[in-house]
Amino acid sequence: AQTVTQSQPEMSVQEAETVTLSCTYDTSENNYYLFWYKQPPSRQMILVIRQEAYKQQNATENRFSVNFQKAAKSFSLKISDSQLGDTAMYFCAFGVNNDMRFGAGTRLTVKP
Amino acid sequence: DAGITQSPRYKITETGRQVTLMCHQTWSHSYMFWYRQDLGHGLRLIYYSAAADITDKGEVPDGYVVSRSKTENFPLTLESATRSQTSVYFCASSESPGTRYETQYFGPGTRLLVL
Repeated sequence: AQTVTQSQPEMSVQEAETVTLSCTYDTSENNYYLFWYKQPPSRQMILVIRQEAYKQQNATENRFSVNFQKAAKSFSLKISDSQLGDTAMYFCAFGVNNDMRFGAGTRLTVKP
Repeated sequence: DAGITQSPRYKITETGRQVTLMCHQTWSHSYMFWYRQDLGHGLRLIYYSAAADITDKGEVPDGYVVSRSKTENFPLTLESATRSQTSVYFCASSESPGTRYETQYFGPGTRLLVL
């Protein structure tokens, strides 16, 4: 079975600084997808970024980028120039064959 | 464009009662999903549906029933609610052509409290 581990329950960062959230996963599959979702206090799940395992190039979306290490089964999220609106729970997720597994989440607080 | 909606947003019920949570999407996505979110567990997949009249179990299906008679609707029923089913329930949908896995888009969630 696929598992996703987020080892940092809580993190904080000063506004305008950079923070990296960690995620590791375990799978025997070769083709899969990885996601980072953001859940602000409103509870809405918002896709931040996605990565296809067959692509070697790391995905980027504006201030958000990932460091995908397939051999190490690691998928970290880097947030640059952190903003107060980035305060949220962040979930790493692994998807294959319509089965999506989520990590327990990292609560990120951006401090002014 | 309404996207994906859930109703009710909040529900309080008693142990043993039947409860149905509704999910509706306007994108004509093929796939729909139900998750529950509990502290310390992230989201866990309950059931999913690849198309109308096609459903399959996820990670935690026990105590739940789903149906999908129409592409746009995917109700989740708790036939006899238990306290352990107190949770926040999220519905999601995605388009998954061929074997490519597509991004899931989530509804706003339903908070269910079972007394």
